[in-house]
This record gives sequence, structure tokens and C-alpha cells, in this order.
Amino acid sequence: GENVEQHPSTLSVQEGDSAVIKCTYSDSASNYFPWYKQELGKRPQLIIDIRSNVGEKKDQRIAVTLNKTAKHFSLHITETQPEDSAVYFCAAMDYNQGGKLIFGQGTELSVKP
Amino acid sequence: DVKVTQSSRYLVKRTGEKVFLECVQDMDHENMFWYRQDPGLGLRLIYFSYDVKMKEKGDIPEGYSVSREKKERFSLILESASTNQTSMYLCASSPRGDPNYGYTFGSGTRLTVV
Repeated sequence: GENVEQHPSTLSVQEGDSAVIKCTYSDSASNYFPWYKQELGKRPQLIIDIRSNVGEKKDQRIAVTLNKTAKHFSLHITETQPEDSAVYFCAAMDYNQGGKLIFGQGTELSVKP
Repeated sequence: DVKVTQSSRYLVKRTGEKVFLECVQDMDHENMFWYRQDPGLGLRLIYFSYDVKMKEKGDIPEGYSVSREKKERFSLILESASTNQTSMYLCASSPRGDPNYGYTFGSGTRLTVV
């Protein structure tokens, strides 16, 4: 079955810097790759996703890139702000096989003012 | 507008007790999932269901069972709770097929087994 590895487990940046979180997946059939943000004490919320037919997607300060050949995808946050501090999870799915997401281990991002 | 509701936010149970965690969604989603969340391990899939009365094991089903008698309700059962089942439990739902809007998660149940 699918296995998703996520790095780093913790990341600390200064406000205004960029942050990059990387994930690798094992199942070449996976075709949907979402990223979730979980603030302290809250439920995970979808922030951006990408499908296997595109290589990059951007939404304001966040972007995701996908390399299908290497089976890895990354989250990029530019101009970080203190409110970006949270735990971020990547995940992978083959939605033609039902729709179960397999998550990475999570990255705790801390943005220092 | 809460769309996935978990019955308890915090729960304390004794070792050996039978524990029921309830999850209800009002979005008419076909798919429902139970995950447990532990620091450094991310969200691990326990069980999932693509339709009423069907269930499939996830990556860590041992010690758990589930029930889905109605489309909107998915219950997680700990037959005999143990201390290593102390964790945050998250329920989620999604529509069948292309997940246009991803999963919708519940607020979670923090279970402590003493």
C-alpha cells in the first residue's frame, strides 16, 4: 500500500522568510496530493492540493510542486507570517481506488516574529 | 456550520472498558474515515467505509472495530480499551470519486485510557 514520508519534522523560520516542506510517496498510482494545516487545538484544514496531471499550483503565498517521476511533492510558503505557525500534513491518494488518504508524519512550523 | 460532528471532545475511560466514538456528517458523503493522531506519527488510518454497512481495514485496525448502519454515521469501537489506545481520534468524510474539496474533519476526540 501507499507510504508517505514527510520532512522535516520541525521547522523554525524568521517572519518573512520562506519555508519548504517535502514529502515522498511510494505508490505510482497515487494521483491526488493535498496539504492540510492544523492549528493548535483545531481540526486539520485543506490549504492546497495538486493532481498528478500538473506540476505546480500556486495560491497567493503558498505553492505546491509535484515530481511524478521522483514521486515527491513539496509545499512552499513565502513571506511567512506568525499565523502560519501550525502543523502541516501532506497526504496522497489514488481517488480511482475509492479515496483513502495516507498522511505523512507532519511538520511543526514555527514562524518567529 | 459544523459539518462533521464527533460526539465527545474529551473522554477518560478505564482499561478493559468498551468505548464507542461516534461521528456524524451532514454532507451526504459516501466515504467516512477514522484516524488516530499521535505526535511524530501523523494521522494513521484505522478503518474506513465507502458505503453503508461496508468497512475496510486501514493501516492500524488491531484493537478496533467500526459500524456504519446509516450513511451519515460512522462509529469506532474499542472492544477492550488499553493504555496504548490513548490518543486523539479524528473522523473525516469525503465524497466518492474526485475529492474536489478534500476531506472534512471533525474536531477530534481526545481519549485517555487509565
